[in-house]
Parts: sequence; structure tokens; C-alpha cells
Amino acid sequence: EAGVAQSPRYKIIEKRQSVAFWCNPISGHATLYWYQQILGQGPKLLIQFQNNGVVDDSQLPKDRFSAERLKGVDSTLKIQPAKLEDSAVYLCASSPFGGAPEQYFGPGTRLTVT
Amino acid sequence: LAKTTQPISMDSYEGQEVNITCSHNNIATNDYITWYQQFPSQGPRFIIQGYKTKVTNEVASLFIPADRKSSTLSLPRVSLSDTAVYYCLVVGYTNAGKSTFGDGTTLTVKP
Repeated sequence: EAGVAQSPRYKIIEKRQSVAFWCNPISGHATLYWYQQILGQGPKLLIQFQNNGVVDDSQLPKDRFSAERLKGVDSTLKIQPAKLEDSAVYLCASSPFGGAPEQYFGPGTRLTVT
Repeated sequence: LAKTTQPISMDSYEGQEVNITCSHNNIATNDYITWYQQFPSQGPRFIIQGYKTKVTNEVASLFIPADRKSSTLSLPRVSLSDTAVYYCLVVGYTNAGKSTFGDGTTLTVKP
């Protein structure tokens, strides 16, 4: 079974630029999560989708971050404009609906904002 | 939203059993307890999950007391490769709810 795929793996941009991250969850997984992990901290949930509907986006900085999940499969997280404090690893995870609550994580995208 | 508290760090030696405890005092009736392992430059990896009593799989055991306000991850006979950060995460059964990781426990296994 293929795991969660993310791209790119690394991205370096200047502040005020925009960036987008892509995630392809495990086939059949209805729930998709985006997390932000700052060095030395645990992952912080940004947004949770159930199929293509948003379940929780209370910690998503909506003035600069946006996310969508078209057709309930792939998802894209965008930052526009980026700030220095957005430097972090962005993790995508997925889990099956109605089953055990474990989450399966992708390798993450390391973003550096200069 | 169940907030979790874990020790910041733990040291152990190869071959020993390691127990990492997580406190989650405001766990809800429908919440499950999950544990993850994270190596540098990788995403967290699911280890084990449970609701109550004891759960065991091929890599770990999870002990949950009757009041469910804490849980203990037990790693038998650790090796150097078990050096990692371990997180407990409390999450609703249908995943339709908020899930928040704490800062985890950094386990260092020494030779």
C-alpha cells in the first residue's frame, strides 16, 4: 500500500512570496490533515478535511494560508504572502473514516523563508 | 480538546524496558489514545492506539487505567534505533474533532 505523498520535499522562498504544497493521501482515506511543525515542537493542526469538507480550521491563519481538497482526494496548502515565522515543516496525514483513529503521515515539506 | 502532558526527555540503555507516561486529564468519553514515533526529518509514525485497559502489538504495549486520565507506552528491550521523539495524541473516534500534539518525549537510548 502506497503511503502519503507530499511534494516538494524542500522549498526556499523569500518573505512576501507565495508557495504551495501538495499532498496525495492513502487511497480510500477520507480524512486529511495539514500540520505545521516548528523545529523542537510537536505538530500543530492547521486544517482537517473530511472528504472535501472542512472539519476544523480554527488554527489556520486565514489571512495568509488557504487549503483545498478537490474531489475529496488530493489537497493543496498555500501560503501567500509568506513570513519569516512560517519557516517550518508542513506535514500531511490521512486516516480512514469510521475506523481506528490512527493517522498516517507523509514525509513533510521543509519550508525556509528568508 | 484533550491537552496532553509528557516528560520532555528520558534516557535509557539498550536492552531495557522504557515506559513513557502521558497525562490527559480532560479526555472525553469518545476519545481514543494514540502514540506516535518521530525520527529527525521524517513524519510521525503511528505506533499503537487504545481506548482502555491494555493493548499490545509487535512493537509496544499501551496501558490505560480505568479513569483513562493517563496512559503509558511501554517499549520492551529498546535498541539504539528507538532513539526518537514519542508523542501521545488524544483524538475522537471518527476523527471529526480537534487533535493536538504536545511537544513529545525525546527518548535517548545509550549503548
